[in-house]
Amino acid sequence: DSGVTQTPKHLITATGQRVTLRCSPRSGDLSVYWYQQSLDQGLQFLIQYYNGEERAKGNILERFSAQQFPDLHSELNLSSLELGDSALYFCASSVYPLGQGLLNTEAFFGQGTRLTVV
Amino acid sequence: GIQVEQSPPDLILQEGANSTLRCNFSDSVNNLQWFHQNPWGQLINLFYIPSGTKQNGRLSATTVATERYSLLYISSSQTTDSGVYFCAVGDNYGQNFVFGPGTRLSVLP
Repeated sequence: DSGVTQTPKHLITATGQRVTLRCSPRSGDLSVYWYQQSLDQGLQFLIQYYNGEERAKGNILERFSAQQFPDLHSELNLSSLELGDSALYFCASSVYPLGQGLLNTEAFFGQGTRLTVV
Repeated sequence: GIQVEQSPPDLILQEGANSTLRCNFSDSVNNLQWFHQNPWGQLINLFYIPSGTKQNGRLSATTVATERYSLLYISSSQTTDSGVYFCAVGDNYGQNFVFGPGTRLSVLP
């Protein structure tokens, strides 16, 4: 168990709908990251938050949005869903933003939310 | 942005064999991690290794940051080692954590 909790584990929804994925980081971690993994694809970075502030954006569609709340949990909102949005969505957390050369900036991943759009 | 390559893309081994997986990256990094994604999709941390060498049981890893590569060694492979192995690196600006394309390992009994 990585200590990162994602809910729900599975989600099936219809095209055009909107869903919210939730992530609770490990206790003490201030940074949260979201990734998308489509079938047989690698992990694509979507967005990063640090202590409530957006810090970096990757290939996140305009139909997608996210936020990190004062209690540090994060939500990823996906709207106007399309078949191609079907994927495994991962959340990760770390104490500090990755790459700053600080000790213990190891990222831990949740078990993912498997989204199926039908 | 930083580029990450992994080789080989696919690897098939008999149980008990040894293997070496490679990760090349295009720029200086302050973070490098190896992950194993099991057949159920779960990402498991193997090593946090921005430089140096570490060992954990049958697995070990070495990162030579000055030459921009990392190696993951798997010895006496078992069928439970099957899955995809990812290398991920953090750039020096702390804004991105980029994954390589992965190496898909199949260990046959």
